[in-house]
Amino acid sequence: EVVLTQSPGTLSLSPGERATLSCRASQSVSSSFLAWYQQKPGQAPRLLIYSASTRATGIPDRFSGSGSGTDFTLTIARLEPEDFAVYYCQQYGRSLWSFGQGTKVEIK
Amino acid sequence: QMQLQESGPGLVKASEPLSLTCTVSGGSISTFTYYWGWIRQPPGKGLEWIGSMDYSGTTFYNPSLKSRLTMSVDTSKNEFSLKLNSVTAADTAVYFCARYSIGYSIDEWGQGTLVSVS
Repeated sequence: EVVLTQSPGTLSLSPGERATLSCRASQSVSSSFLAWYQQKPGQAPRLLIYSASTRATGIPDRFSGSGSGTDFTLTIARLEPEDFAVYYCQQYGRSLWSFGQGTKVEIK
Repeated sequence: QMQLQESGPGLVKASEPLSLTCTVSGGSISTFTYYWGWIRQPPGKGLEWIGSMDYSGTTFYNPSLKSRLTMSVDTSKNEFSLKLNSVTAADTAVYFCARYSIGYSIDEWGQGTLVSVS
């Protein structure tokens, strides 16, 4: 079973700043099967990135994903007020899925 | 566009089974293009994958829940279901049904339903 560890737990930034979120896997994950989600309070998560680096439909280009193997990154180029939320990574492998514990991006 | 909607009791007694149904509208569940499944989120905590399945009934379960979990699909009603036996307070969570798409990512979510175990 693949364990995903996200860091930092909380990221305190100002609008306009760059956010860099990390997701580290306990064993190698196929880039094809690594996704990122955004969740706001009281809402279901929203798919941002799939296959490590492909933006989902309607996702602004300030969101980008990168990485391979055990280290993956979500970058938000310039934070907009609506980007302050919790972000999760998720992987699939060997018929099992798992999520990271989340990174909260909060307003500084 | 497909929509997913969870239904089921919001309160379950400890040791009893928890049963939820996800009704899919705006498209057929009977396609191998997608997987279908469940994710839960305890209050104030992160997301936990529960299980996934295809429309033929092939299932994949979280090992930590496998002994208590049954998932099924009813293609005639365009819905799929979850049954979790012998619940405890630790099973209190918002339960989301979901559609898995490209790269086994989840591109459609239900709104979620809170199930509390008393």
